[in-house]
Amino acid sequence: DTGVSQDPRHKITKRGQNVTFRCDPISEHNRLYWYRQTLGQGPEFLTYFQNEAQLEKSRLLSDRFSAERPKGSFSTLEIQRTEQGDSAMYLCASSLRLAGVTGELFFGEGSRLTVL
Amino acid sequence: AQSVTQLDSQVPVFEEAPVELRCNYSSSVSVYLFWYVQYPNQGLQLLLKYLSGSTLVESINGFEAEFNKSQTSFHLRKPSVHISDTAEYFCAVSDVWAGGTSYGKLTFGQGTILTVHP
Repeated sequence: DTGVSQDPRHKITKRGQNVTFRCDPISEHNRLYWYRQTLGQGPEFLTYFQNEAQLEKSRLLSDRFSAERPKGSFSTLEIQRTEQGDSAMYLCASSLRLAGVTGELFFGEGSRLTVL
Repeated sequence: AQSVTQLDSQVPVFEEAPVELRCNYSSSVSVYLFWYVQYPNQGLQLLLKYLSGSTLVESINGFEAEFNKSQTSFHLRKPSVHISDTAEYFCAVSDVWAGGTSYGKLTFGQGTILTVHP
């Protein structure tokens, strides 16, 4: 399968613990996006990368959240000192930006976080 | 700032009946428009998109959507639904800047759960 893959698919943690999610985009894609989806809502943009550079962060991304894409390939999203309000599905997507045109976003199946 | 409103959170229909899922948006600039579908336990999949040209766009599985600039709408329709169309559908927009540039960042609606009954 050469689509976007996310790991782990499910994570249950206790309040105050740190968690990290990994996203492996489609190999030739240079753009990578993180979204968060809570129950009954559509996905909300968190941040995106062009290669290894983080170009934009949403106000939703508090200082407890950090995302990296160190070599322009896979990305990690870390949440420190988790809170119950962090419980959500974390979605990763990738796309190919070429000659100023951003192509279709391909989404992974998501990582579901439950904070007890 | 953009926003997307999907007017119906749930739409139940019988198999072979027509369906319309409504989507309205607001934006201060031009937009690209998308419909995504999410089947249970699967990721979001692009169903169709409007970038430019004909305002009526179609998907390979019989869905169509029409961009109406004056009404800022992008409603999704299918003349005859199947059981397999049961899923959650999301409308999304992306701002378009000079020269047709889009950053690819999407703003989604809240989603509409389509349930097709036999």
